[in-house]
Amino acid sequence: QSALTQPRSVSGSPGQSVTISCTGTSSDVGGYNYVSWYQQHPGKAPKPMIYDVSKRPSGVPDRFSGSKSGNTASLTITGLQAEDEGDYYCCSYAGSPYVVFGGGTKLTVL
Amino acid sequence: EVQLVESGGGLVQPGGSLRLSCAASGFTFSSYWMSWVRQAPGKGLEWVANIKQDGSEKTYVDSVKGRFTISRDNAKNSLYLQMNSLRAEDTAIYYCARVHMATFDPWGQGTLVTVSS
Repeated sequence: QSALTQPRSVSGSPGQSVTISCTGTSSDVGGYNYVSWYQQHPGKAPKPMIYDVSKRPSGVPDRFSGSKSGNTASLTITGLQAEDEGDYYCCSYAGSPYVVFGGGTKLTVL
Repeated sequence: EVQLVESGGGLVQPGGSLRLSCAASGFTFSSYWMSWVRQAPGKGLEWVANIKQDGSEKTYVDSVKGRFTISRDNAKNSLYLQMNSLRAEDTAIYYCARVHMATFDPWGQGTLVTVSS
């Protein structure tokens, strides 16, 4: 049950694109198409932004997209906006019934 | 509206116990796995425990096995976390969440547990 590896921070200017990576193993990210991403603003509960690798919950802008290659999943945000600033966490199924989170990435919109 | 509301957090001494509750509304509670996820101050998210729809399967992260017990009452649409032998490292905001595979949606607002003398 080791945590998934994410960069501690990423940044971008408004309108630009950023990608956050999430690296695991063949026992979690690489083994299942059950990766989700969560956005968290200070003092708030996490909000799901992507589930099942690349699906968006209702209400999430299509500027947010997810993908996976091998043991690494990625969250891409295009057309960065100020309100996108916050912490982002990836999460992967790791075999019933375990779930593992990434350490989190702080996104700064310059 | 789908909603989860946690309660029961507070200050407790090391070695003490606390019971968290999570009231669910707006969906068929008995049809879903449920989870507890925690977040230590300034730290990342950590999955704590899962419970199956009928309570027949319960699983825990290694660090809480033997100390925490997850349970549910489908008649009351409620999820619980009994926490015993609490340690300083258990200090965190505890969130309840509806879960499917690796998707936690929605989340409650969280309840803060502080373990300190």
